[in-house]
Amino acid sequence: DGGITQSPKYLFRKEGQNVTLSCEQNLNHDAMYWYRQDPGQGLRLIYYSQIVNDFQKGDIAEGYSVSREKKESFPLTVTSAQKNPTAFYLCATMGGTSGTLGFFGPGTRLTVL
Amino acid sequence: AQSVTQLDSQVPVFEEAPVELRCNYSSSVSVYLFWYVQYPNQGLQLLLKYLSGSTLVKGINGFEAEFNKSQTSFHLRKPSVHISDTAEYFCAVSEPHDYKLSFGAGTTVTVRA
Repeated sequence: DGGITQSPKYLFRKEGQNVTLSCEQNLNHDAMYWYRQDPGQGLRLIYYSQIVNDFQKGDIAEGYSVSREKKESFPLTVTSAQKNPTAFYLCATMGGTSGTLGFFGPGTRLTVL
Repeated sequence: AQSVTQLDSQVPVFEEAPVELRCNYSSSVSVYLFWYVQYPNQGLQLLLKYLSGSTLVKGINGFEAEFNKSQTSFHLRKPSVHISDTAEYFCAVSEPHDYKLSFGAGTTVTVRA
């Protein structure tokens, strides 16, 4: 059963801590994305990767880091430099025959205590 | 760079009534257009997309949208809604072969019996 897995579903962090959000896909898609969702603001692009070992900053990359060592995995680290990290984080892939089908994972809700 | 404006933040509607969600975009080049639905605490699901060809696009769950290039719009419609259509709806745009989606702020649809 193909899809995108994000873990954990809920994550709590103390101020000053780094946390890593997991995103795994078995769709064999080349491109993977991280979006942040805040109420009333839609989704904003944090980082994206179109091939293994390569990634680019999105619109709000400050305070975040990523890696793409495997095609299936695109973990996102929220660092202590991110001033307002409480949000819903969505991982997505892009693939399909037209290259424009966007698939989203179920999301991780991060709360800073 | 492209941008998306969803003209209504909240749309209350009675069950079995029609609904229209408005989306306008701005871009200096040709675009791909998408509508996604998000149920509470879940990821996004693709409802429909416009890539090229017929300007009337039919999607899942009885939704359809019409691409109007002269008005730079991509409004979403459903002739008769159900309680289960209560969700948040996002319009998104990307440039061909860019694979990065820009999202509107979302429209919350609440269907009442």
